[in-house]
Amino acid sequence: GAGVSQTPSNKVTEKGKYVELRCDPISGHTALYWYRQSLGQGPEFLIYFQGTGAADDSGLPNDRFFAVRPEGSVSTLKIQRTERGDSAVYLCASSLTRGALKNNEQFFGPGTRLTVL
Amino acid sequence: AQSVTQLGSHVSVSEGALVLLRCNYSSSVPPYLFWYVQYPNQGLQLLLKYTSAATLVKGINGFEAEFKKSETSFHLTKPSAHMSDAAEYFCAVSGVRTGGYNKLIFGAGTRLAVHP
Repeated sequence: GAGVSQTPSNKVTEKGKYVELRCDPISGHTALYWYRQSLGQGPEFLIYFQGTGAADDSGLPNDRFFAVRPEGSVSTLKIQRTERGDSAVYLCASSLTRGALKNNEQFFGPGTRLTVL
Repeated sequence: AQSVTQLGSHVSVSEGALVLLRCNYSSSVPPYLFWYVQYPNQGLQLLLKYTSAATLVKGINGFEAEFKKSETSFHLTKPSAHMSDAAEYFCAVSGVRTGGYNKLIFGAGTRLAVHP
């Protein structure tokens, strides 16, 4: 079946612009996570959705970052007034959250590579 | 709080040699531990996970890892490296867990190179 998809795969923008990154989770997965992976680093947690609500947004670096999941499926990560330091690969993951927690594997998408010039 | 330290950002082995990638964790709760692999331009793929059952965990592609609580370690091994194992490997520990919530905290990664 289809995995997690993310669009676009690459995004180049100029400093100060607004960008939107999209994540399509695996059908039926209620949990959705966003992570950011800077060059040479491991992924860092940004935000977690359970259904439509952001249950934990403690990883968002500042108020320029915002994410929504209005219908409990597709999610959009929005970055306002982009800065060069926002350049990274943004990863999305989804999981079932059904039954025992230990079985709730996160499935990752290929990521969106954001470059801010 | 949870954290992960991966010793060695780059590891190079010969084809057929033992692979050993080191991971040490810190966790204020009994941890769930994971190893992920990332091939170029691809998403993270789960290799194996420890969730408080057997301490020796077997994963895909011949990899295994042993949870050692006394050493707070979860090192990844494979007896014989293949060229196709060349990739970036990430160790992760789960954060606070309630319901289905399972935030992952990753190490910085180890890039494995396999040479003929």
